[in-house]
Amino acid sequence: EVQLVESGGVLVQPGGSLRLSCAASGFSFSRYSMKWVRQAPGKGLEWVSHITGSSSTIYYADSVKGRFTVSRDNAKNSLYLQMNSLRDEDTALYYCGRDSGYGGGIDVWGPGTMVTVSS
Amino acid sequence: QSALTQPASVSGSPGQSITISCAGTSSDVGGYNYVSWYQQNPGKAPKLMIYEVINRPSGVSNRFSGSKSGNTASLIISGLQTEDEAHYYCSSYSPNRILVFGGGTKLTVL
Repeated sequence: EVQLVESGGVLVQPGGSLRLSCAASGFSFSRYSMKWVRQAPGKGLEWVSHITGSSSTIYYADSVKGRFTVSRDNAKNSLYLQMNSLRDEDTALYYCGRDSGYGGGIDVWGPGTMVTVSS
Repeated sequence: QSALTQPASVSGSPGQSITISCAGTSSDVGGYNYVSWYQQNPGKAPKLMIYEVINRPSGVSNRFSGSKSGNTASLIISGLQTEDEAHYYCSSYSPNRILVFGGGTKLTVL
């Protein structure tokens, strides 16, 4: 079964750091680009970051550029998101998603992990 | 403010057809056939319903279809069922922002 499971979400103070993980199973992880998408409470979806299968190309949304770093370990079938200098507005449910290969759409989603930034 | 514009809500009765629009620009929706649609039920992750404007993933009901005209894409749901009640989001490839989403539309089946 194709599956993604995020972890690492917690309550953190503004200015703090956090590392999210996404464990993939059931597919050839290294062959797929992956994305992070977030959803603030009661709000819509916001794309955060994109990384190709070989990690050769990485993109970030302007709202997180310079603060977040995406990476992957294909040997461990894992995707990561290092989040630094966290702000209140980073509070959201963070999803990892598998790029479908069709114009950037996401065909497999994890259940998400909640990040709360608050003092 | 989302990059793509969707109506906040639409409604319909069981058996009817509804259309959800997704308005963008020539730099995203209008420039590429890379529009996707997602269904999201409360407390759940989004589910891909349509990709590349018109294509349905395996397992998605053929009551769901997509189209595009100019800078606006549309999701059409025919033969509405109560189980279709959910939030729907569109997304498009964008060279500048990679992936842009619409603000979401809440579908109510009356």
